[in-house]
Amino acid sequence: QSALTQPRSVSGSPGQSVTISCTGTSSDVGGYNYVSWYQQHPGKAPKLMIYDVTERPSGVPDRFSGSKSGNTASLTISGLQAEDEADYYCCSYAGSYDVIFGGGTKLTVL
Amino acid sequence: EVQLLESGGGLVQPGGSLRLSCAASGFTFSTYAMSWVRQAPGKGLEWVSSISGAGGNTYYADSVKGRFTISRDNSKNTLCLQMNSLRAEDTAQYYCAKERADRILGRWSGWGQGTLVTVSS
Repeated sequence: QSALTQPRSVSGSPGQSVTISCTGTSSDVGGYNYVSWYQQHPGKAPKLMIYDVTERPSGVPDRFSGSKSGNTASLTISGLQAEDEADYYCCSYAGSYDVIFGGGTKLTVL
Repeated sequence: EVQLLESGGGLVQPGGSLRLSCAASGFTFSTYAMSWVRQAPGKGLEWVSSISGAGGNTYYADSVKGRFTISRDNSKNTLCLQMNSLRAEDTAQYYCAKERADRILGRWSGWGQGTLVTVSS
């Protein structure tokens, strides 16, 4: 399985919205509603932000939302805050107990 | 509160072996699938291996299949990863991660801080 495709970087100003895309195939993103998104600050462990395409774990601000259309999933962060600056990874179940990640996107808050 | 504490990382020569452990607390360990996820220096995340809650089902990425063995001891709330025939490309931070349920779907709601494995001569 090849890694999912994410933009290398995105940026936005405080208060703005940004969207990070995650493109796979019909065998992973498009085939299952098991897309997750992780936030990782430098030197820290990843943190689950979105699971099952649109679900937010408790404690995750509702500024974070997920969606999917066909083979592409998206993470939208509205009302950008300085603390949102981090790396973001998408992840999808790919069948037969296989899980694949995207290459990661660096979010810069200007 | 979920706590996962990895140990066992270090420097090993190519072809060598290493055993990682993860001590879990704060949840009913046996009712959750567990995984190892790694991250090479400056690179992205890579799923390595997963095990069902009871330990009867194990799964591996192609990159480690036949070399790594995942196991768990539910009486001791411990997850392990036996790594044999190590290669330079196995150099990474290895994270222990807890699934949201006893299903392997890449929905890891708890993570340890990781343990660094360096494979070098």
